[in-house]
Amino acid sequence: DAGVTQSPTHLIKTRGQQVTLRCSPISGHKSVSWYQQVLGQGPQFIFQYYEKEERGRGNFPDRFSARQFPNYSSELNVNALLLGDSALYLCASSLSLAGRYNEQFFGPGTRLTVL
Amino acid sequence: DQQVKQNSPSLSVQEGRISILNCDYTNSMFDYFLWYKKYPAEGPTFLISISSIKDKNEDGRFTVFLNKSAKHLSLHIVPSQPGDSAVYFCAASDNTGNQFYFGTGTSLTVIP
Repeated sequence: DAGVTQSPTHLIKTRGQQVTLRCSPISGHKSVSWYQQVLGQGPQFIFQYYEKEERGRGNFPDRFSARQFPNYSSELNVNALLLGDSALYLCASSLSLAGRYNEQFFGPGTRLTVL
Repeated sequence: DQQVKQNSPSLSVQEGRISILNCDYTNSMFDYFLWYKKYPAEGPTFLISISSIKDKNEDGRFTVFLNKSAKHLSLHIVPSQPGDSAVYFCAASDNTGNQFYFGTGTSLTVIP
């Protein structure tokens, strides 16, 4: 079975541009979470979506937005890119809301570089 | 504000010996803790978890200990193997389960 897939693998953008990252969860999983991992830091929670609704949001500015589609795939959008947005963006899926009874499975991430 | 901290960025251990990775947290509402392992170019992989109603959970070579009064948990790997070389992240959540907080990671190197 395929795991969590993310596209693209790498991306280079310039300041002020907009970017869209994509995630396909494991088949049957209805929840997707997004994390930002800056070099040398741990993953930082951005959003969790379940059944196409936002169920959790981390401490990120409104430039960050996401959505989940009927097939449970998800997109993360970042507007007005800043140099500090350069990071590895991780997507994780789970059967239901991520928690003690629902393990999160992570994708390999999208490496975003903002110049 | 880092609510989950891993104060040792790196650790080297001889093959066959015990590896002990430490994690501290500040939020007393956290009641579920996890350890993830991450290889380069891959996403984190779940390793082991513990609920706050327990103080120990064991899975094969991996044991997690939780000291709620000290707000401290540790991961013991024994015996350590070269394939255990990876970055280990500690994570925590409260009972809503809507958000997980990760530490900064500890890079473990097991020397053959």
